[in-house]
Amino acid sequence: KAGVTQTPRYLIKTRGQQVTLSCSPISGHRSVSWYQQTPGQGLQFLFEYFSETQRNKGNFPGRFSGRQFSNSRSEMNVSTLELGDSALYLCASSLVGDEQYFGPGTRLTVT
Amino acid sequence: QKEVEQDPGPLSVPEGAIVSLNCTYSNSAFQYFMWYRQYSRKGPELLMYTYSSGNKEDGRFTAQVDKSSKYISLFIRDSQPSDSATYLCAMREYSSASKIIFGSGTRLSIRP
Repeated sequence: KAGVTQTPRYLIKTRGQQVTLSCSPISGHRSVSWYQQTPGQGLQFLFEYFSETQRNKGNFPGRFSGRQFSNSRSEMNVSTLELGDSALYLCASSLVGDEQYFGPGTRLTVT
Repeated sequence: QKEVEQDPGPLSVPEGAIVSLNCTYSNSAFQYFMWYRQYSRKGPELLMYTYSSGNKEDGRFTAQVDKSSKYISLFIRDSQPSDSATYLCAMREYSSASKIIFGSGTRLSIRP
C-alpha cells in the first residue's frame, strides 16, 4: 500500500508571497492532519480534515488555511508568507483520526 | 504547563544498551498513547500504538503506560546505531475526533 505523499518536497518563497502544499493520504484514509515542525517549537498542530470538513484547528493565524477534496486529498495554503513560516510542513493520514501515518514533509524556506 | 512533557535530550548510549524514553502528561482524559521515530529530514514513523495501562511489546521495543502516574515509557532493547533518531511521544483522548498532542521529542544517539 502506498504511503502518504506530499508535494512539493522543497520550496523557496519570498516574504509576502503565498504557497499551496499538497497531500495525498493512504488509500482509504479519510482523516488528514497538518503539522508545522521547527527546531524551536517542535511539532505543532495546524488543522485536521475529515470527510471534507475541518474537524480540529490549532492556534495558527488565519493566513494558514486548508481544504480536503472528495478523494481525501488535502491542500494547505499559507498567504502573506513571513520569515517565521520557514519550517517542515508534515501531513498525516489516518482511517478515522486514530493511528496517524506521516508523509515525508515539505520543507518551506521563506527568504 | 504543557499537556505533554518530554525530556529533549540528547541521550547518548553505547550499542547494545537498554534505552528508556519517557513522557509525562497532565490530561487524565488521554486514553491512546503513541510513540513515533523520526530520522533527520524525514517524517515521523509510527512505532507503537497503545490503549490502556500496561505493557505492549513489538520486537526490541516495549511501550509502557501508567495512567495512575500519567507516565509513559518506551524501552529499546539491544539498541543499534540505526535506532539513532528523535523519538516523539503522542497521545489523545478517547474520541477519534480529538486532537493528537505530541511531546517535543527526545534525540537519541547510539554509539557503535
